[in-house]
Amino acid sequence: NAGVTQTPKFQVLKTGQSMTLQCAQDMNHEYMSWYRQDPGMGLRLIHYSVGAGITDQGEVPNGYNVSRSTTEDFPLRLLSAAPSQTSVYFCASSSTGGITGELFFGEGSRLTVL
Amino acid sequence: GIQVEQSPPDLILQEGANSTLRCNFSDSVNNLQWFHQNPWGQLINLFYIPSGTKQNGRLSATTVATERYSLLYISSSQTTDSGVYFCAVAPGSRLTFGEGTQLTVNP
Repeated sequence: NAGVTQTPKFQVLKTGQSMTLQCAQDMNHEYMSWYRQDPGMGLRLIHYSVGAGITDQGEVPNGYNVSRSTTEDFPLRLLSAAPSQTSVYFCASSSTGGITGELFFGEGSRLTVL
Repeated sequence: GIQVEQSPPDLILQEGANSTLRCNFSDSVNNLQWFHQNPWGQLINLFYIPSGTKQNGRLSATTVATERYSLLYISSSQTTDSGVYFCAVAPGSRLTFGEGTQLTVNP
């Protein structure tokens, strides 16, 4: 079992560029979510999904899109990168208790926007 | 929204020492979790503990939901315990994370 796999681990973008952070889990978890971690601010919820075909916004959704076409995959798209999106991004999955159930995190993706 | 306060913000220990980390929250919760983020950035779920006490090896956690706090105990600390410890709470359908306690265990 690989658990939750995120790619890429590091990425540098220029302002205005778009990109997709990939997240895949092999635990057959229904619930998946994306968080961003900024210094001194803990983790904040960007978007989440309660099952294939169902997504919703979290606390800080602006500038990001998600889709959930399969149970396994939950990509996060940055439409037009801005320096304020420089952060470390974590994907998480959970099997029970919704997106607040016991969370399993990927290793994170460090994004720098110049 | 709910406020989550962790203390202390920083803690430095010698290997073998015991420590207690605290998480206070401002509203009733139905979910509380403790996480460890190691120096390489990996986040590991330590406890899912909305109430009561749980133990896992040298770590244990107690949540007193009626008084709106949780404690994480680390006994006989090891250098591998270093990192940031987060608590996260949910009064509803979303988790709110505290800012973490940075723990450094020196050999």
